[in-house]
Amino acid sequence: DAMVIQNPRYQVTQFGKPVTLSCSQTLNHNVMYWYQQKSSQAPKLLFHYYDKDFNNEADTPDNFQSRRPNTSFCFLDIRSPGLGDAAMYLCATSLQGEHYEQYFGPGTRLTVT
Amino acid sequence: QQQVKQSPQSLIVQKGGISIINCAYENTAFDYFPWYQQFPGKGPALLIAIRPDVSEKKEGRFTISFNKSAKQFSLHIMDSQPGDSATYFCAASTDEGSSNTGKLIFGQGTTLQVKP
Repeated sequence: DAMVIQNPRYQVTQFGKPVTLSCSQTLNHNVMYWYQQKSSQAPKLLFHYYDKDFNNEADTPDNFQSRRPNTSFCFLDIRSPGLGDAAMYLCATSLQGEHYEQYFGPGTRLTVT
Repeated sequence: QQQVKQSPQSLIVQKGGISIINCAYENTAFDYFPWYQQFPGKGPALLIAIRPDVSEKKEGRFTISFNKSAKQFSLHIMDSQPGDSATYFCAASTDEGSSNTGKLIFGQGTTLQVKP
C-alpha cells in the first residue's frame, strides 16, 4: 500500500541535543509538509516543499530546519530542542494543485528531557 | 483573515444520534474546505471535502453543508457510532499562486465521543 512513513515513532532527546526526524513516502507526491501538533491542538504548519522548492512559514523558529534530498524523503532537524518543542511531528504529502487532500504519516512523538 | 473558527470544542452524542460540528471563515479566497478525522496516536486523515461552489456534499453517513454567504460550513455525522469517536478538524485550503501549491488552515478541532 502506498503510504507516508515516519521514523522513529517515538524520540526522546535531551534539552539542547540536536535531533532529526525522518519521513518517507511511496505516493510519489511532489509536495511534502511538516507539521507540529501539541496536545489538544490543531496541526501547525512549519514548512513545505514543492519538489525541492522550500517554503518556510513566517513564524517557524530558526531552530527548525528541513532537508529534502529526493522526492521520497524529507527530514526535520531540530538544532537545539527546548522543552517547548515537545510535540507530535507530522509529515504529510500531496499532489501539486491538490493541497486540500493531504496524506499524513502516523507522526513522531518527541519528548525533550 | 486566515483563521478558521471551529465549534464546539467537544461533543458527546449517543449512538445513533447526529453529530454536528460547525466552522466559520473570513477569507473568501479559500478554495477547498476539507474535514479531517484524527484518532489518538495517528495522523489526520481526509474524511470529506467540498468546493465553495457546492452547497452540500454527502459521503455515506458524512455530510458537509456549506453556506457561502454566511462563510460557514458544517459536518453532520448521521447515525453516529462509537467508532466515530475521534477528533475532527475542519480546514480551509489556500492556493500559494504560481507554483499551484498551497496549504491548509486548520480549525481548533472537536473531540467527539459517541456513547454506546
